[in-house]
Amino acid sequence: GQNIDQPTEMTATEGAIVQINCTYQTSGFNGLFWYQQHAGEAPTFLSYNVLDGLEEKGRFSSFLSRSKGYSYLLLKELQMKDSASYLCAAMDSNYQLIWGAGTKLIIKP
Amino acid sequence: GAVVSQHPSWVICKSGTSVKIECRSLDFQATTMFWYRQFPKQSLMLMATSNEGSKATYEQGVEKDKFLINHASLTLSTLTVTSAHPEDSSFYICSASLGRDLNEQYFGPGTRLTVT
Repeated sequence: GQNIDQPTEMTATEGAIVQINCTYQTSGFNGLFWYQQHAGEAPTFLSYNVLDGLEEKGRFSSFLSRSKGYSYLLLKELQMKDSASYLCAAMDSNYQLIWGAGTKLIIKP
Repeated sequence: GAVVSQHPSWVICKSGTSVKIECRSLDFQATTMFWYRQFPKQSLMLMATSNEGSKATYEQGVEKDKFLINHASLTLSTLTVTSAHPEDSSFYICSASLGRDLNEQYFGPGTRLTVT
């Protein structure tokens, strides 16, 4: 079956760095996505990885290892506004997104 | 950037009535539109995929006669919740993509439906 695993909740301190891990099992693979979702709002796109390695975009970076079925989202210089849920989603061979349940990130001052 | 709008942003309706939710791609033509439902503190659940001019493909467990999807043009898809019940209360989100090779889905802001 197809499955996405990510931690349910994480807590970090303002100004620090946090890494949110995601493992996936899909029928075929066409990329790994990270989305940010604030409470009561729709998800917003953060990153897309289809090749192994690290993609850096400002304070956010995303890493992919296809052989391990593993990705992480790295958030640096955490700000209070980064408090949100972070959704990992893998695209399967039918170009459908398989969604994780999301990781709720709590930022403390 | 690509913008997707939804209307209404929230709606309250009585049991047994029908509600229509519109999803529009404002500055691009969307080959494919997706409808998701999200219950509190849960992930998005894909309900159906629709391509312009053809019937929607529904996910297993989603009643196509209850959730009517019409993708009449490349910029508009509608979801009608028929004979709504309180258990249909949820956050409904649409997304649109330019084509199957596009690596991004552009999400609408969502519609919060409450059925009383």
